[in-house]
Amino acid sequence: AQTVTQSQPEMSVQEAETVTLSCTYDTSESDYYLFWYKQPPSRQMILVIRQEAYKQQNATENRFSVNFQKAAKSFSLKISDSQLGDAAMYFCAYRSVYSGNTPLVFGKGTRLSVIA
Amino acid sequence: DSGVTQTPKHLITATGQRVTLRCSPRSGDLSVYWYQQSLDQGLQFLIHYYNGEERAKGNILERFSAQQFPDLHSELNLSSLELGDSALYFCASSVAGTAVTNEQFFGPGTRLTVL
Repeated sequence: AQTVTQSQPEMSVQEAETVTLSCTYDTSESDYYLFWYKQPPSRQMILVIRQEAYKQQNATENRFSVNFQKAAKSFSLKISDSQLGDAAMYFCAYRSVYSGNTPLVFGKGTRLSVIA
Repeated sequence: DSGVTQTPKHLITATGQRVTLRCSPRSGDLSVYWYQQSLDQGLQFLIHYYNGEERAKGNILERFSAQQFPDLHSELNLSSLELGDSALYFCASSVAGTAVTNEQFFGPGTRLTVL
């Protein structure tokens, strides 16, 4: 079974600075999808960014980008120009391609604080 | 707003009781996933339904059951509740049953507190 590990329970960043959240995963599959979800205090789960394992190019969504290292099974999220609204729990998630019915497998999350 | 609705938002009940959580997927979405978010276990998959049929089970206890109705809404039934069942329960919907590229849209969750 796949596992996702987020080794940083809490992180903080100054407003306008850059922060990187770490995620590693364990799988024997060669093709899969990786996701970062944001959960603000409202508890809503919001998709931030998605990466397809067969694509070597790192995904980017505005101020959010990933560093996908397939061989190292690492998938970090970089937030540039941090804003107060970025304060939230961030979850890394994995989804298999092969087992079609598998849902998302989540890490335990990283709580990000943004300091004004 | 994801378009997925969940009721109730909050539920407080006692040990041994039974509750039903309801989820209405986005219009047109056939798949419904249920997840449990607790402090010690994080977000865990419980069960997946597609167009009324159960497709996959995760770490769902035997005391828990779910179904998806013809109008595609889903209900998660939790019985013989224990203190450890206190958690945030999410449902998520997506268009198709198994396509990985289909984003899962999460509802706002139901906060269950068992006293």
